[in-house]
Amino acid sequence: DGGITQSPKYLFRKEGQNVTLSCEQNLNHDAMYWYRQDPGQGLRLIYYSQIVNDFQKGDIAEGYSVSREKKESFPLTVTSAQKNPTAFYLCASSISYLWTSGDYTGELFFGEGSRLTVL
Amino acid sequence: QKEVEQDPGPLSVPEGAIVSLNCTYSNSAFQYFMWYRQYSRKGPELLMYTYSSGNKEDGRFTAQVDKSSKYISLFIRDSQPSDSATYLCAMKGILTGGGNKLTFGTGTQLKVEL
Repeated sequence: DGGITQSPKYLFRKEGQNVTLSCEQNLNHDAMYWYRQDPGQGLRLIYYSQIVNDFQKGDIAEGYSVSREKKESFPLTVTSAQKNPTAFYLCASSISYLWTSGDYTGELFFGEGSRLTVL
Repeated sequence: QKEVEQDPGPLSVPEGAIVSLNCTYSNSAFQYFMWYRQYSRKGPELLMYTYSSGNKEDGRFTAQVDKSSKYISLFIRDSQPSDSATYLCAMKGILTGGGNKLTFGTGTQLKVEL
């Protein structure tokens, strides 16, 4: 089955540690995204990538880093510089608008999320 | 003020009720409007998609967009317990160099009771 796999589902981290969240997709999508979800704040975009070897900062990129070395993979590192890292992290993918014309829904396909807790 | 406002609920209704979920927005550049459904501890999934103004119907679900009032709605007819979830509105403008960037509402938590 095609889809997006995020791991781990639950992760605990001590303050001062970096952690990396994995995101893999087999939908053959060029575009991938990382969102953060907090109660009462909706989804906020951290980073996105429209194509391999390229990525852009979203609205709340500070304290996070990403890489896009393969089309299928878009890992997110939460660094010790992120002041409030406890959150639910969602990875998504879509067809890239770069290769479409006409009606482009840009439907996002989400993984099941990773819940990070800082102790 | 947030670009997209959505009542977080929770909203509790009896089975069979008609449910109305709403979002308001302030950015007149938004042209594409979506509703995502998110079950507990899962990722969101696209439920409805509308371009510009008007209505769109899909089974028990109807999406409405009123651009003059900057107001969008999702109606659920004959609600079922399986509709219990958080409903997120999302929207975006014409594509720019920023690509496919959506602005999400905070989500409304819905519970349909037997």
